[in-house]
Amino acid sequence: QSVLTQPPSASGTPGQRVTISCSGSSSNIGINYVYWYQQLPGTAPKLLIYRNNQRPSGVPDRFSGSKSGTSASLAISGLRSEDEADYYCAAWDGSLSGPVFGGGTKLTVL
Amino acid sequence: QVQLVESGGGVVQPGGSLRLSCEASGFTFSSYGMHWVRQAPGKGLEWVAFIRYDESNKYYADSVKGRFTISRDISKNTLYMQMNSLRAEDTAVYYCAKEESDRTAWFQHWGQGTLVTVSS
Repeated sequence: QSVLTQPPSASGTPGQRVTISCSGSSSNIGINYVYWYQQLPGTAPKLLIYRNNQRPSGVPDRFSGSKSGTSASLAISGLRSEDEADYYCAAWDGSLSGPVFGGGTKLTVL
Repeated sequence: QVQLVESGGGVVQPGGSLRLSCEASGFTFSSYGMHWVRQAPGKGLEWVAFIRYDESNKYYADSVKGRFTISRDISKNTLYMQMNSLRAEDTAVYYCAKEESDRTAWFQHWGQGTLVTVSS
């Protein structure tokens, strides 16, 4: 049971816009920044979004993040086949004194 | 460029011990907090442990508290994880990750991971 709650799966067709939600609490998302990671099979996670809505260099602007209260979301527009991956949200949890992750959302591009 | 290279994984019997290493390069190791994050086969990411940049604090997930110890050797630019009393549920790929800002979930750089299998 992950501290942050994500839907286990999401899907879309090429070109479509998909949104993945992440729900937390007042001890994590409510007071700290949210981060999003993309993980392709057999590889280490890759940072996609930092500080709620900032993109690291090299991440396409098709990826965007937002946060409101104790929830956050990742949006992917112009869906492409290479976006098929697992996506994780994360935030520092002040009560646990450590980062917490969502359970992950497997994105399928139909 | 930043590089993190883990080693030390392998097969160990339940109750056994293992020490993981993460050799860091490309940045001032003593200036950044470091984490261990694991991923059991077919499962999601689970944070394991964190050591602050100045070693003033170490934090552990409840699932490993009292069994795992995180440490670092500044002279060798290396992060360690001593794992004792290993259980089947500790089987996972273990990643080391560099924290970009103190006490956040901001991990720009990850190692390639090392697999730990706990089995008789």
